[in-house]
Amino acid sequence: DQQVKQNSPSLSVQEGRISILNCDYTNSMFDYFLWYKKYPAEGPTFLISISSIKDKNEDGRFTVFLNKSAKHLSLHIVPSQPGDSAVYFCAARPLSSNTGKLIFGQGTTLQVKP
Amino acid sequence: DGGITQSPKYLFRKEGQNVTLSCEQNLNHDAMYWYRQDPGQGLRLIYYSQIVNDFQKGDIAEGYSVSREKKESFPLTVTSAQKNPTAFYLCASSTTGTGISSTEAFFGQGTRLTVV
Repeated sequence: DQQVKQNSPSLSVQEGRISILNCDYTNSMFDYFLWYKKYPAEGPTFLISISSIKDKNEDGRFTVFLNKSAKHLSLHIVPSQPGDSAVYFCAARPLSSNTGKLIFGQGTTLQVKP
Repeated sequence: DGGITQSPKYLFRKEGQNVTLSCEQNLNHDAMYWYRQDPGQGLRLIYYSQIVNDFQKGDIAEGYSVSREKKESFPLTVTSAQKNPTAFYLCASSTTGTGISSTEAFFGQGTRLTVV
């Protein structure tokens, strides 16, 4: 049973426009949500996170929104750049965990066209 | 520079053979993890360890084994019992604790294992 889901396998956006990546989760027992970025044949790198007690966190061009009632998480990238082209994974940490043990979504491949 | 090193980057194995993937970190992190990535399935947790000489099974531990004899090292053995071992394997580490810093896992570059 997939607890963290990214229903869009891919997204294509023009350079300079906004990219919105979405993620849904099926239970409320998570305390942190994170986004990771991954280039081909490399390990994921941490991008941005949000605590379950907040609804927004911003870091430069990246903003994560959390809608707890809808169990929905989104990552906004504004403005999008060609270097943002990568696979984006959302992840959630179970409340019972005190480590970086995470549950990942399937990933969304973002392509930013020049 | 601190980081996580996985070796080798590419590995080929004959069916029926065991193979060990190396993972070393110099970040002084207590916790280490092994994930497997398959197309369309994201990252799935194989094993994790929060402290030396202790480790727990993740969601897909069958056919795998690990050891944690040193804080810096967490090797993964893919045994012949693993039915579909061809995949991209990722090792990660993090601090421990309930705060936000322990949520950020640092990943290695990965090992692509192919069974021939």
